Amino acid sequence: SQQGEEDPQALSIQEGENATMNCSYKTSINNLQWYRQNSGRGLVHLILIRSNEREKHSGRLRVTLDTSKKSSSLLITASRAADTASYFCATVSSGTYKYIFGTGTRLKVLA
Amino acid sequence: GAGVSQTPSNKVTEKGKYVELRCDPISGHTALYWYRQSLGQGPEFLIYFQGTGAADDSGLPNDRFFAVRPEGSVSTLKIQRTERGDSAVYLCASSSGDEQYFGPGTRLTVT
Repeated sequence: SQQGEEDPQALSIQEGENATMNCSYKTSINNLQWYRQNSGRGLVHLILIRSNEREKHSGRLRVTLDTSKKSSSLLITASRAADTASYFCATVSSGTYKYIFGTGTRLKVLA
Repeated sequence: GAGVSQTPSNKVTEKGKYVELRCDPISGHTALYWYRQSLGQGPEFLIYFQGTGAADDSGLPNDRFFAVRPEGSVSTLKIQRTERGDSAVYLCASSSGDEQYFGPGTRLTVT
């Protein structure tokens, strides 16, 4: 499969807790991005981290990247019911514009 | 401004028929992507356009699939002799940089 792997596949937490999801990929990358998808339709871009960056923040989101392990993590702090969605990582290999998406983590935040 | 739009939102067709799926990208975006997403999976790359030309069509599964973007704006994904295995949500995204903007998708069902 050309897809990266994400874990866990599904995560259920209480509102206010933090949610962490992980992504592993296979090739050298130019950048890695995280997207959110509601109800199986269009995806929304959340955050991008470049291969020469190790950590990035955006609001309640924190992304880390470890290129030696070919892995990334997305942390959502103080989760809300509205954060319930599927989250995907996508990588772009060096020298291409081809995005490879992971298998996704389905997050459910209970009110 | 207007986002990426896709028509139709749903398409039901019989096995063996021909279908066309349309994508209207964000005005001014030179990059356009088509993806296919099956239930429980991440988006699978099909083809990438830069302007009018297909810069990378390595994701098209076979020669029944074809896409065009004649004027560098609207794109049409064409599927000939549809098979039940073609049933999926077909997503289009456009970009002017690293971030992709997705449309709501077309759900194709082949009966």
